[in-house]
Amino acid sequence: DGGITQSPKYLFRKEGQNVTLSCEQNLNHDAMYWYRQDPGQGLRLIYYSQIVNDFQKGDIAEGYSVSREKKESFPLTVTSAQKNPTAFYLCASRIPGQGNEQFFGPGTRLTVL
Amino acid sequence: GEDVEQSLFLSVREGDSSVINCTYTDSSSTYLYWYKQEPGAGLQLLTYIFSNMDMKQDQRLTVLLNKKDKHLSLRIADTQTGDSAIYFCAETIRGANDYKLSFGAGTTVTVRA
Repeated sequence: DGGITQSPKYLFRKEGQNVTLSCEQNLNHDAMYWYRQDPGQGLRLIYYSQIVNDFQKGDIAEGYSVSREKKESFPLTVTSAQKNPTAFYLCASRIPGQGNEQFFGPGTRLTVL
Repeated sequence: GEDVEQSLFLSVREGDSSVINCTYTDSSSTYLYWYKQEPGAGLQLLTYIFSNMDMKQDQRLTVLLNKKDKHLSLRIADTQTGDSAIYFCAETIRGANDYKLSFGAGTTVTVRA
């Protein structure tokens, strides 16, 4: 089955530690996106990548970093510089063609203690 | 500008119709989307409408688009308990070489018996 996998579903870290969230897709999509979701707010774009070895900052990139070494993978690192990292993180890839809609993974809930 | 607005809550009786409203600001948006999010899950695309259309119907879902007022609505006919979820409206933000989505804060729909 084709889809997007995010792991783990729940992640706990101590304050001051960097943590990397995994996002893998086998849909052969070029474009991938990372969003952060907080209660009562919409999804806010952290980083996105249109193609391998290229990525751009979104609206709230500070304190985060990404890489795109393979088409299938777009990991997100939450660094210790991110002041309020506890949130639900969603990865998406874009379906090329008519609607250009984004297809979402199941999300990772990060809690920093 | 990129600012999508939705009301935050809607309560509806089972079997009635639900109408979720959204306003957007980018008049150049080509596609507008409705996504559904169940608790603890990722976003699921429900439907989308191209900006040159006024209406789109898909089974129990009807999307209405008023480009003049930049107003989008989603009507769910015969609302069921399984329709309880958060519904997000999103507009396309198209750059020179990329597509991004701007999301509203989401409308939490509660279906009561």
